[in-house]
Formats: sequence, structure tokens, C-alpha cells
Amino acid sequence: DAKTTQPPSMDCAEGRAANLPCNHSTISGNEYVYWYRQIHSQGPQYIIHGLKNNETNEMASLIITEDRKSSTLILPHATLRDTAVYYCIACPVGRQLTFGSGTQLTVLP
Amino acid sequence: EAGVAQSPRYKIIEKRQSVAFWCNPISGHATLYWYQQILGQGPKLLIQFQNNGVVDDSQLPKDRFSAERLKGVDSTLKIQPAKLEDSAVYLCASSSLRYPGLAGGAGSQYFGPGTRLLVL
Repeated sequence: DAKTTQPPSMDCAEGRAANLPCNHSTISGNEYVYWYRQIHSQGPQYIIHGLKNNETNEMASLIITEDRKSSTLILPHATLRDTAVYYCIACPVGRQLTFGSGTQLTVLP
Repeated sequence: EAGVAQSPRYKIIEKRQSVAFWCNPISGHATLYWYQQILGQGPKLLIQFQNNGVVDDSQLPKDRFSAERLKGVDSTLKIQPAKLEDSAVYLCASSSLRYPGLAGGAGSQYFGPGTRLLVL
């Protein structure tokens, strides 16, 4: 499975867009990029996933570069409740998710 | 739709004691997972069930950990005897698909709130 690299922590002002980067330079063609987040004292929560194309849902947008070596999760209008650890996972079909240490996003008032 | 239920939420035991955790997945989800999450780390998969059969238990310390999913619904995870290094949050998750990448990657996992274990 491709290794992913994320910054250990980031801050974002409330109401602004939060852009969380993820590097997956060794990703293979059949690996999806998944994003989960984990709010303190809760289990991880699925956010979004993608293979090649950019994706958007009610929670976030996922931008994957054309070469698929990196991606960015965008929370368009961050709120205090978005403070959490965000995990970027590259997972091939037929394999299970492997969580790294993620990025601690702190949304500041 | 009810989420994944786990109990107890907290447990404190002394080393060498036994402990058991219970999980009730989302109704209809055939796949059930147990994860261990040590403080400051991401969750680590311990075991995966498909209905009542084990799909992957390669990272389960089988000398002290055991898990079962009788009747393919609820599951229990047991530690016997516990060690200090077992202090962690134990998360249960379920999914409608065997692997996340099936069905266009839509097989996302739904996690329970976890059981926080402290071994003294």
C-alpha cells in the first residue's frame, strides 16, 4: 500500500477554508484515496474518497493532482466542530485501510 | 439509522486480569472490524470478520487476544491476561462491503465510539 505523508498539525481560522495536504507519491493505479477524521473521544468518521477525479460531497471536497501523487482535502467553511485529526489513506482494491498518524487540525475562533 | 454500539465505554483493570468488549454493528453490515488505537497513533486493525468467519487476524496477538462473532452479528473481543501495553482505545467498525475499494470505493467503514482500556 502506498505510504501517505501529512503534516502533523495545522491551524485554521473559523469560517475560512481549511486545506489539508497529503502526499502519496508511490500510489498505484488501483489505490483509492480516502479521508477520515476523528474528533476527540470519538471513532473515526468517513469524509470522502476518490480515485482520479476531484470529488465533492456535503462535508468536503477532494482535489487529486493529475499525476495522483498528492491530494488536498478542502473544508470550505471550517467551524470549531471541525477540529479533529484528519487521516489520508491510500488503499488498493482488495485491501483494508491502514491509518497513519494524521493531521491535527485546530480551528481557531 | 442506529450506529455501531460498543460497551463498556471505559474499563480499568490490573495487569494479568481479563477483560471483554462488546460490539453491535450497523444492521445488515456483514463486515465487522476491531481496531486498537494507542494514544497518539492511528487505529491499527486487529481482526476482520465477514459474517461469522475471520477474514484477517494477522495482527491479532493470539496468545492473549481472542475475538468471536457468533451468528454473524454481535462480536466480542477478549484480552486474557492483560498487559500494561494493552492500554488503548478499542474501536469496532462495520461495513456493508468486504473491502473499501469494492463498488467504486464506496465501502466506507462506520466506527463505534470505542472502549477506553486502562491497564494498571
